[in-house]
Amino acid sequence: GNSVTQMEGPVTLSEEAFLTINCTYTATGYPSLFWYVQYPGEGLQLLLKATKADDKGSNKGFEATYRKETTSFHLEKGSVQVSDSAVYFCALSDRINYGGATNKLIFGTGTLLAVQP
Amino acid sequence: DTGVSQNPRHKITKRGQNVTFRCDPISEHNRLYWYRQTLGQGPEFLTYFQNEAQLEKSRLLSDRFSAERPKGSFSTLEIQRTEQGDSAMYLCASSPRRDPGNVTDTQYFGPGTRLTVL
Repeated sequence: GNSVTQMEGPVTLSEEAFLTINCTYTATGYPSLFWYVQYPGEGLQLLLKATKADDKGSNKGFEATYRKETTSFHLEKGSVQVSDSAVYFCALSDRINYGGATNKLIFGTGTLLAVQP
Repeated sequence: DTGVSQNPRHKITKRGQNVTFRCDPISEHNRLYWYRQTLGQGPEFLTYFQNEAQLEKSRLLSDRFSAERPKGSFSTLEIQRTEQGDSAMYLCASSPRRDPGNVTDTQYFGPGTRLTVL
């Protein structure tokens, strides 16, 4: 079945450092790919998404490019801030089997990012 | 738009008791999802509603679990005869009716209900 693998954390960085969180996927067909972020004590928030190969999703300085040839969707940010400390989840859409067009999400295990001042 | 709300935020119960959680989706979102998240793991899909119809259930949803969405608005998730293995965060998400040309829904998540079974 479809699955997502992301790098284990925690990832500890100093403020203004470059961030990469690796995510690879296994899927049949052409899923959409997502990064969600979970700040302490809060619910999951969509950070960015890409719906087809070579699409780049971006938001709040974060970027990720849908790479079909390497089945990857790595998250990057050029200069992290303390406020970016959170758990980041990579996810893909998996078509629900009733013939409809709505998708359930399959998540990776999450990567904790801790940014120190 | 006040976001997806879930109640209660925390529930502690003894093994064998029944519990019920409520989810209020963003108004006019006709699609509603339940997920379960255990410590150190990503959320796992449990079930999906389109309006009041439950269209998909995961194998994770044993016979002790039941979900409803009467009138296509709020949803409830009930767990009967709770077990310690049911301890988890239960997440609800909703998404809007898809516009023609949109490839993928964005799911909006609530804050979750944390269940602890003693």
